[in-house]
Amino acid sequence: ILNVEQSPQSLHVQEGDSTNFTCSFPSSNFYALHWYRWETAKSPEALFVMTLNGDEKKKGRISATLNTKEGYSYLYIKGSQPEDSATYLCALTEGNQFYFGTGTSLTVIP
Amino acid sequence: DAGITQSPRHKVTETGTPVTLRCHQTENHRYMYWYRQDPGHGLRLIHYSYGVKDTDKGEVSDGYSVSRSKTEDFLLTLESATSSQTSVYFCAIGSGGAYNEQFFGPGTRLTVL
Repeated sequence: ILNVEQSPQSLHVQEGDSTNFTCSFPSSNFYALHWYRWETAKSPEALFVMTLNGDEKKKGRISATLNTKEGYSYLYIKGSQPEDSATYLCALTEGNQFYFGTGTSLTVIP
Repeated sequence: DAGITQSPRHKVTETGTPVTLRCHQTENHRYMYWYRQDPGHGLRLIHYSYGVKDTDKGEVSDGYSVSRSKTEDFLLTLESATSSQTSVYFCAIGSGGAYNEQFFGPGTRLTVL
């Protein structure tokens, strides 16, 4: 079992603010890291999959970076909008198994 | 949306009764997964399948069994439901490989009284 930690647990920001959260994981035997966006009453939706140290991914105002040597990934949201309100999950892959963090709950206040 | 359905979507049952949840996909993906979601724990893998009749245990497999007789269906069975198995259950599918992106079903809310 791999311990995947996310911080902070929850976050409230004003519309227009930029924000970021952290996913920490054991750096040994790294395979892949996934970010998901999970809106209330819906299913998790894949944002990014990253496999290489130094990977950077971007989708619109959301981007992510990966540091496998030190065992962390950052998710950034630029100019937060109310529709960005959701829980953001990261998951570490080891073989065919996925180990999820408990998520960061983001609330964007209009 | 990826073609994943779960049935039933809601179920209330009593302790000691058997329960089977069904996950059905139309994407022909090789991998299928069952997770449970609980407050403070996020998503935890129960079992997964990497092909017809090929399954393996996840992090929290005790008290659960699975079967996959067809590519499109993955069944999760609670042989004798307990109150600790009250949870929201999510099925996911994936194509495998290094970029094993998962697509999730809508979830099943199970309450064991």
